Amino acid sequence: AQTVTQSQPEMSVQEAETVTLSCTYDTSESDYYLFWYKQPPSRQMILVIRQEAYKQQNATENRFSVNFQKAAKSFSLKISDSQLGDAAMYFCAYRSGDNYGQNFVFGPGTRLSVLP
Amino acid sequence: DAGVIQSPRHEVTEMGQEVTLRCKPISGHNSLFWYRQTMMRGLELLIYFNNNVPIDDSGMPEDRFSAKMPNASFSTLKIQPSEPRDSAVYFCASRRNFYGYTFGSGTRLTVV
Repeated sequence: AQTVTQSQPEMSVQEAETVTLSCTYDTSESDYYLFWYKQPPSRQMILVIRQEAYKQQNATENRFSVNFQKAAKSFSLKISDSQLGDAAMYFCAYRSGDNYGQNFVFGPGTRLSVLP
Repeated sequence: DAGVIQSPRHEVTEMGQEVTLRCKPISGHNSLFWYRQTMMRGLELLIYFNNNVPIDDSGMPEDRFSAKMPNASFSTLKIQPSEPRDSAVYFCASRRNFYGYTFGSGTRLTVV
């Protein structure tokens, strides 16, 4: 079974600074997808960024980028120029590449605080 | 596109009562998922449907939980009878393709 670990229960960053959230996962599959979701106090789960395991290039979305190390099974999220609106719980998630692998495996989450 | 719509947003009920949570997926999405989020267990998949058919309900805690999807635009998650340990946030999510999962805003259920 796949597992996702986020070793940082809480993180804080100064506004406009850069922060990196860690995620490691365990799988025996070669084809899979990794995601970062953001959950602000509104509770809405918002997709931040997605990475396909077969792609070597790290995904980027504006101020958000990932460092995907497939061999190390590591998938960290870097937030540049942090803004107050980035404060939220961040969940790392894994999904099998098998079309029948519908289930996300979520990590326990990292609570990010942004300090003005 | 109104997104995935869940109702109610908050529900407070007494132990033993029946609770029904509702979800309207995004039009055109053919898969629907029910998740439960608690502090202790994080996010857990309860059940998912593909083309209105339940595919995997192994995450449903016990027989008190049931889910239906009578058509492509509506799903319910029912708890009968409810217990205090069912208190959680329940999320519905839908997807159309391999990537596009969209979550609803969740229903916070409190059973007293």
